[in-house]
Amino acid sequence: QVQLVESGGGVTQPGRSQRLSCAASGFPFNTFAMHWVRQAPGKGLEWVAVISYDGKTIYYADSVKGRFTISRDNSKNTLYLQMNSLRIEDTAVYFCSRRGGGQHFDYWGQGTLITVSP
Amino acid sequence: DIQMTQAPSSLSASIGDRVTITCRASQGISNFLAWFQQKPGKAPKPLIYAAATLQSGVPSKFSGSGSGTDFTLTISSLQPEDFATYYCQQYDDYPLTFGGGTKVEI
Repeated sequence: QVQLVESGGGVTQPGRSQRLSCAASGFPFNTFAMHWVRQAPGKGLEWVAVISYDGKTIYYADSVKGRFTISRDNSKNTLYLQMNSLRIEDTAVYFCSRRGGGQHFDYWGQGTLITVSP
Repeated sequence: DIQMTQAPSSLSASIGDRVTITCRASQGISNFLAWFQQKPGKAPKPLIYAAATLQSGVPSKFSGSGSGTDFTLTISSLQPEDFATYYCQQYDDYPLTFGGGTKVEI
C-alpha cells in the first residue's frame, strides 16, 4: 500500500535551517509528482511546493520562494524540503502528498511538526 | 492567485442531517476542484476530486457538484464519524489554494 512518512521536524530558531524528508513506498515513486503542504497550529492548509516526477519542474508558494528548496532522490524514493532562513510564521505541520492520476492530492503522510521559536 | 471561499466556516448539525458546504473560486477553474476531510491531529483525507468524482473507498453519502466557480459538497446523512473540518482546494493553476475550511460540529 502507498505510504508516505515524513521526518526531520523539531524545534529550531529564527534564521536557522532544517531539512524535511518524506520516504515513499508502495508505488513507483519516480513516476509521480510530489507536493509539500503545511498547516500552522489551529489554521487551515497552505500549499508550499511541488516537484515533477523527474525533478525538472518546480513551483513554490510566494511565502517560501527563495528560502525553501524542494528536491527528490528517485533512487532513494525520498522527497525533501530544505528550509532556510526560517521564520516564526513557518511554524507548522508539514505534510508530503502525492499528486495522483487525477492531478489531485491522493495520498498524504502523517506530517512532521516544525516549531520556529526564539 | 485563485482565492477559494468556503461557506459556512462552521455549522452545527445532528446525526442523520443532510449537510451542504459551498466553495467559490475567484475565477473559473473548470472542474479542477477537490474536497478533503480532516480530523484533529490527522492528515487530510481525500474525498472527491474533479469536482464530483468520489475517491476510492469513500462512502457514497459524500457527493460533489459544480463547475467553473461554484461548487458544493453534500453529506447525505451525517454520522458521528463525519464530524470534522472540510476543505476545498483548486488545482487548476499554481499556486494551489485551499478554502478556509468548514468545521462540522454536533
